[in-house]
Amino acid sequence: ETGVTQSPTHLIKTRGQQVTLRCSSQSGHNTVSWYQQALGQGPQFIFQYYREEENGRGNFPPRFSGLQFPNYSSELNVNALELDDSALYLCASSLAGGNTIYFGEGSWLTVV
Amino acid sequence: QQQVKQSPQSLIVQKGGISIINCAYENTAFDYFPWYQQFPGKGPALLIAIRPDVSEKKEGRFTISFNKSAKQFSLHIMDSQPGDSATYFCAAREDGNKLVFGAGTILRVKS
Repeated sequence: ETGVTQSPTHLIKTRGQQVTLRCSSQSGHNTVSWYQQALGQGPQFIFQYYREEENGRGNFPPRFSGLQFPNYSSELNVNALELDDSALYLCASSLAGGNTIYFGEGSWLTVV
Repeated sequence: QQQVKQSPQSLIVQKGGISIINCAYENTAFDYFPWYQQFPGKGPALLIAIRPDVSEKKEGRFTISFNKSAKQFSLHIMDSQPGDSATYFCAAREDGNKLVFGAGTILRVKS
């Protein structure tokens, strides 16, 4: 049990729609990062939030955006969904500069 | 550009045998190297990790060997068990807590 919880666990959206995924980080962990894991591939870094600000971003377009709240929980928003956005979306939490990064179970997104 | 290269893609080991997974990296700014285990339908679970100033770390049946000069590191699973059958990912940390993952190794332990 990592203490990182994500919701929803599964969802299906139509191309062009918008989706919001949520993450509750482990208690005390002030850094949250999001990853996209396509089927059969390793997770790819989307972005990271620290103290409610984005402080690192991978090669993802601006339609991928996020928020971090004062309690360190976080949201990932994806606009104008495309079929290729179908993947497992993982949230990870850690202490800033800490060595241990814990992942949640993920949210499975299917875009049809 | 794949910053962390992982091999083999898949591995079959007999119960009780040793499973060995290798990773190589290029970016010398990486400062932390974790291994994750992932079962189907689940998120990655941290297995063991090492810093580049350490050459070996052992936790139970799991050992990481790290060769800083060669920019290579490996995971050894001793006495492999059917319950170890999963996908294993090596990773490397850069820029805060951003992890760069390898492509994964599907391990199957035959009983």
